[in-house]
Amino acid sequence: QVQLQESGPGLVKPSQTLSLTCTVSGTSVSSGSFFWSWVRQPAGRALEWIGDIHTSGSTTYNPSLKSRVTITVDTSKNQLSLNLNSVTAADTAIYYCARGWRVLPGQPAWFDPWGQGTQVAVSS
Amino acid sequence: DIVMTQSPDSLAVSLGERATINCKSSQSVLYSSRNKNYLTWYQQKPGQPPRLLIYWASTRESGVPDRFSGSGSGTDFTLTISSLQAEDVAVYYCQQFYTTPITFGQGTRLEIK
Repeated sequence: QVQLQESGPGLVKPSQTLSLTCTVSGTSVSSGSFFWSWVRQPAGRALEWIGDIHTSGSTTYNPSLKSRVTITVDTSKNQLSLNLNSVTAADTAIYYCARGWRVLPGQPAWFDPWGQGTQVAVSS
Repeated sequence: DIVMTQSPDSLAVSLGERATINCKSSQSVLYSSRNKNYLTWYQQKPGQPPRLLIYWASTRESGVPDRFSGSGSGTDFTLTISSLQAEDVAVYYCQQFYTTPITFGQGTRLEIK
């Protein structure tokens, strides 16, 4: 059974970098043809796809965040990471990692399973 | 970006009755050459992550009760719960994967009347 668990600081100061880790169990982040993705959800608002990294190592980011986002994988730890720099209050959200299924080249189709999510607040 | 618009924003239905949630995309998500709609539905209960319900607009994920069904094509889609159960109280989201960026609807909150 594939499981994902996010971790990281719950509070980040404005203009700093938000760094989160997702630990994957039950499968290897380097096996198969999957996308390892990040999705966020501001309180009371819709889900927003942040981006992903394919098992090949290629990355795709939401253009709205592309200039500030980096997603990487550490195969030795079976983890993926998210770095979002120059954060503002608008980046306050629950951040989820999820496995994206590949049915098209270059992007995930649907996401399953998801981690439980981690709440991140941006405030001084 | 493809904008996904759900209606209604919230819905109250009696136990055992039918619930219908609509999702409209700003452009077609039908991949004609494959005759597949690149649309997915999720269920999100309070304090939980989203759960995949339906993909390809109408294919139920393994383990999803058959009271859940998806329909529609092109730009207009529907999620139907044929006989509402108490455990179906949740927010439901549609999502398109026709093109990046992947986008979600704003969600429909389903409650018991």
